Amino acid sequence: AQSVSQHNHHVILSEAASLELGCNYSYGGTVNLFWYVQYPGQHLQLLLKYFSGDPLVKGIKGFEAEFIKSKFSFNLRKPSVQWSDTAEYFCAVNGVSGNKLVFGAGTILRVKS
Amino acid sequence: DAGVIQSPRHEVTEMGQEVTLRCKPISGHNSLFWYRQTMMRGLELLIYFNNNVPIDDSGMPEDRFSAKMPNASFSTLKIQPSEPRDSAVYFCASRPSGGSSYEQYFGPGTRLTVT
Repeated sequence: AQSVSQHNHHVILSEAASLELGCNYSYGGTVNLFWYVQYPGQHLQLLLKYFSGDPLVKGIKGFEAEFIKSKFSFNLRKPSVQWSDTAEYFCAVNGVSGNKLVFGAGTILRVKS
Repeated sequence: DAGVIQSPRHEVTEMGQEVTLRCKPISGHNSLFWYRQTMMRGLELLIYFNNNVPIDDSGMPEDRFSAKMPNASFSTLKIQPSEPRDSAVYFCASRPSGGSSYEQYFGPGTRLTVT
C-alpha cells in the first residue's frame, strides 16, 4: 500500500530563513507527487506537482521541490520564508495508474515576523 | 469558475441526528472525492467517484456513513445517526478527466460538530 511520511510535524522559523520540509513515500511503481498548502481556516490549494520530466519542480510563491527517485523523496524548499507562509503543508502521492491520492500527516509551519 | 462548492460551511447537530453534506464539483470534472480531516487522523479519503460511480469506499468508517452521486454536478455524504466522534472538517474535491497527473481541486470544507 502507498504511504507518505512527513518528518516534521511542527516547524517554527523566522522571516527570511530558508525552509526545507521532508517528504518520503512508499510505492512500488511510477508516481505523481504533489505538495498542497492549507492556510489557516482555508481549503487545500496546490503548491506544485511532479509527474514527469525535470525532477526539480517550481511552484507558486517561490516554492520548489525536488524529486529524488533513489531516495523516494520529494522535499519542499523555499530560500526565504515570509510571515504569510504560515500554514500547514501536505505532501501527497498517487500511482500513475491509480486515482487515490494518499496524503502525509502534514507539517505545520509557523513563521515569526 | 466558482470552484468546488460545499454546503453547509458549518453544521452543529446533536448526537443521533442525521447529517447531510453537499458538494458541487467543478463543471467538467469527472472524479469526485470525499475527505475527512481531524487533528488525530489527519486527512483521510472516505470515498471517490468516477463518472458518478463509486469506485472505492474502503475509507468509509462504518455503515452510518453513505455517499451518493446522482449526477455529474452533485454529491452528498450522509451520516445517520451522527456521533460526537464524527466531528471533523469534511472536504470534497474534484478532478478533471485525463489521468492521475491532474491535481484535485478542493472545496472550502464543512466543519461538522456533533454534540
